[in-house]
Amino acid sequence: DIQLTQSPSSLSASVGDRVTITCRASQSISTFLNWYQQKPGKAPSLLISAASGLHSGVPSRFSSSGSGTDFTLTISSLQPEDFATYYCQQSYTTPRVLTFGGGTKVEIK
Amino acid sequence: QVQLVQSGAEVKKPGASVKVTCQASGFSFTSHYMHWVRQAPGQGLQWMGVIYPSGSASYAQKFQGRITMARDTSTPSVYMELSSLTSEDTAVYYCARGFSVVVVPTAIDFWGLGTLVTVSS
Repeated sequence: DIQLTQSPSSLSASVGDRVTITCRASQSISTFLNWYQQKPGKAPSLLISAASGLHSGVPSRFSSSGSGTDFTLTISSLQPEDFATYYCQQSYTTPRVLTFGGGTKVEIK
Repeated sequence: QVQLVQSGAEVKKPGASVKVTCQASGFSFTSHYMHWVRQAPGQGLQWMGVIYPSGSASYAQKFQGRITMARDTSTPSVYMELSSLTSEDTAVYYCARGFSVVVVPTAIDFWGLGTLVTVSS
């Protein structure tokens, strides 16, 4: 099975900072990676999908890049509402098997 | 609008089974993959399985043998039943909609609010 490793597991940042989160796959997944945001006590929400890019309503300060095994999620200028946990998810073997990374918690410095 | 309304919180004894339901509205779930994802307290997201538009299901290896997912097109609802519960199954269980089957590769674009299942003696 494909494993996804996110780093760091947590980070502290200030409003206005540029934040980068990494997701590494255990084998090549082409460009088939999705990103989600989860705020405390809430269900996750889709940020960026491999199929269609930035999901409806998601601000343009979020972007993603990568292919093969190494991927990044970038927040260009961190806003107060962006403090949350972020998950990557591979869609290379979906819908038969779907895998999430371990998550990256973005906290206020 | 799209809605996924899940059944209420459950408390179960070790060894018991739990069935969580998810009523869908605002879209045709026979055109979408329907997933179940769980999250233990303070932990990450764990995918459990998927119901295909055909009604068949595929499960994560971790749950093979003790999980059943099904749907009822008349309601319309999807169900997830997990048996032989242990304390490690204490988690919030999410029903979630995948993209339409014509969109490749898929992602999960809508989530229910979650159902807390507590396993305790």
